[in-house]
Amino acid sequence: GAVVSQHPSRVICKSGTSVKIECRSLDFQATTMFWYRQFPKKSLMLMATSNEGSKATYEQGVEKDKFLINHASLTLSTLTVTSAHPEDSSFYICSAPPGLATNEQFFGPGTRLTVL
Amino acid sequence: QKEVEQDPGPLSVPEGAIVSLNCTYSNSAFQYFMWYRQYSRKGPELLMYTYSSGNKEDGRFTAQVDKSSKYISLFIRDSQPSDSATYLCAEGNQFYFGTGTSLTVIP
Repeated sequence: GAVVSQHPSRVICKSGTSVKIECRSLDFQATTMFWYRQFPKKSLMLMATSNEGSKATYEQGVEKDKFLINHASLTLSTLTVTSAHPEDSSFYICSAPPGLATNEQFFGPGTRLTVL
Repeated sequence: QKEVEQDPGPLSVPEGAIVSLNCTYSNSAFQYFMWYRQYSRKGPELLMYTYSSGNKEDGRFTAQVDKSSKYISLFIRDSQPSDSATYLCAEGNQFYFGTGTSLTVIP
């Protein structure tokens, strides 16, 4: 089946630094990828929809300048948490549909971010 | 070995069928498990959250955890076309996710 990878799986950084998280579709092309954030014991929160070759679409309440998304190719989307603060510590996960005419969704394994 | 493994599907069933969605996990220390449902182009929604072994029922949905075999299941009774979605299992503490199973319920 289709595989989505994320890198890194865990990252610890100092407050004020920026962190880049990569999401890759390994055996299919993804014109669209989705970025989520997981809070403990809560549902995944959709942050934004990443579109290859165009600007990402952010959900209400998500700061565009804080969470920069770049979908540079059909197999790679990146989420950059800029000037990270401890409250940004969370679990970030991406997903991608393997095609346009499908409701399938493949999830990456997630990235745990800890900001000190 | 992945921490949480999920049957990849896709799964296609007739309306009214009982659907069984399954995952296995590797770490016996895992205690919390979650099931998400995601409709196309939407964010996932948390369906059920379970802690202990046994069954937890919510309407047509039953989540089952068998810690002896490290097996978690989601059963959907009287499946409806509106149940067509991707279902995702996850460990609820470290957030290890399965890869999702696409379900289509045919009218």
